[in-house]
Amino acid sequence: EVQLVESGGGLIQPGGSLRLSCVASGLTVSSHYINWVRQAPGKGLEWISVIYSGGTTYYADSVKGRFTISRDNAKSTIYLQMNSLGAEDTAVYYCASLIYPDIWGQGTTVTVSS
Amino acid sequence: AIQMTQSPSSLSASVGDRVTISCRASQGIRDDLGWYQQKPGKAPKLLISGASSLQSGVPSRFSGSGSGTDFTLTISSLQPEDFATYYCLQDYNNPWTFGQGTKVEIK
Repeated sequence: EVQLVESGGGLIQPGGSLRLSCVASGLTVSSHYINWVRQAPGKGLEWISVIYSGGTTYYADSVKGRFTISRDNAKSTIYLQMNSLGAEDTAVYYCASLIYPDIWGQGTTVTVSS
Repeated sequence: AIQMTQSPSSLSASVGDRVTISCRASQGIRDDLGWYQQKPGKAPKLLISGASSLQSGVPSRFSGSGSGTDFTLTISSLQPEDFATYYCLQDYNNPWTFGQGTKVEIK
């Protein structure tokens, strides 16, 4: 069974940093693209980043320069390093292989608050 | 970035009703569009890819159409389990973008 499992969320003060992890099973991360999508409380879905099999990365304007997506093929893990966090980054963060195929993790919650 | 505008943002409908949700792209995206359904507390579920290709296991009452900039998700006969929020997603180019969502509520 193909599965994505996120971890690393929690409560963080404004201006702080956090690293999220997404462990894949049944899917080879080095030959697939993995995205991060977030959803603020009561709000819609926001695509924020992707890493392709060749290593190319893209970011939404809202996180560009603050967030970095990376991959450890040996650990089948995708990371999202989040810096300079603000209240607007409070959300459930999902890693997902979108559409082709469509697989989502269960999400990990990030709360930015003092 | 391509902007995706969904309408309406919410609607009230009864079981058995025909429901139509629209999604408009700020530029042409061919048929590189997916439709998702999300229920509270759950990850989204893909219903349709490529604007009109129904995913395996998705009921045939769901259908998608459109190409270029204008797209439609239709539920031919709304069922109790269809009350949820629906999102479009363009995968034409990066950054990918979601529509703001359409909440389908019980009338």
